[in-house]
Amino acid sequence: KAGVTQTPRYLIKTRGQQVTLSCSPISGHRSVSWYQQTPGQGLQFLFEYFSETQRNKGNFPGRFSGRQFSNSRSEMNVSTLELGDSALYLCASSLAWTSGTTETQYFGPGTRLLVL
Amino acid sequence: AQTVTQSQPEMSVQEAETVTLSCTYDTSESDYYLFWYKQPPSRQMILVIRQEAYKQQNATENRFSVNFQKAAKSFSLKISDSQLGDAAMYFCAYRSSGFSKIQGAQKLVFGQGTRLTINP
Repeated sequence: KAGVTQTPRYLIKTRGQQVTLSCSPISGHRSVSWYQQTPGQGLQFLFEYFSETQRNKGNFPGRFSGRQFSNSRSEMNVSTLELGDSALYLCASSLAWTSGTTETQYFGPGTRLLVL
Repeated sequence: AQTVTQSQPEMSVQEAETVTLSCTYDTSESDYYLFWYKQPPSRQMILVIRQEAYKQQNATENRFSVNFQKAAKSFSLKISDSQLGDAAMYFCAYRSSGFSKIQGAQKLVFGQGTRLTINP
């Protein structure tokens, strides 16, 4: 079974531009979460989607947005990029069929974004 | 809000020796889940081991085991017979079970990580 895939793997943008990152979960997984990883702030939760609905959102400005499609694929968008947005963006998927379960979250390889 | 603290930014161990990575957390909840994730250099994050707070028995996965002290809010990872392939960043993570009442809630709160080096 194919793992979580993220595209593109690397991106270079300039300040003020916008960017869209894509995440394809493992087949059958309906939950997708996004995390930002930086050396200074570590791993921070961005948002989570389940059945095309945002279930939870981290403490990030409105420039960060996301969505999930009917096939569970997810995209996140960052508008008006700032230098501080340079980071590794990780996507994770899980089955999340029922509440109270501890399904493993499987992480993708990440998209490394550099903002110049 | 929950917080997770890893007080050891870096650790090193000789191959075949045992090493323990520390993790403490702060929460007012009584039911939650704890995880250790491994992130090798330039490779994907993978789950090493997980612990349900309601279980008193410490989780074990082959060479990896945890020491879960709920009252002390401590969750350390012990790696026995360390191997070169164990070299990685290790992250401790917390997941609230309260969110589990919302179907699909999977938010993880991570510690800052511990970089583990294995010396041959």
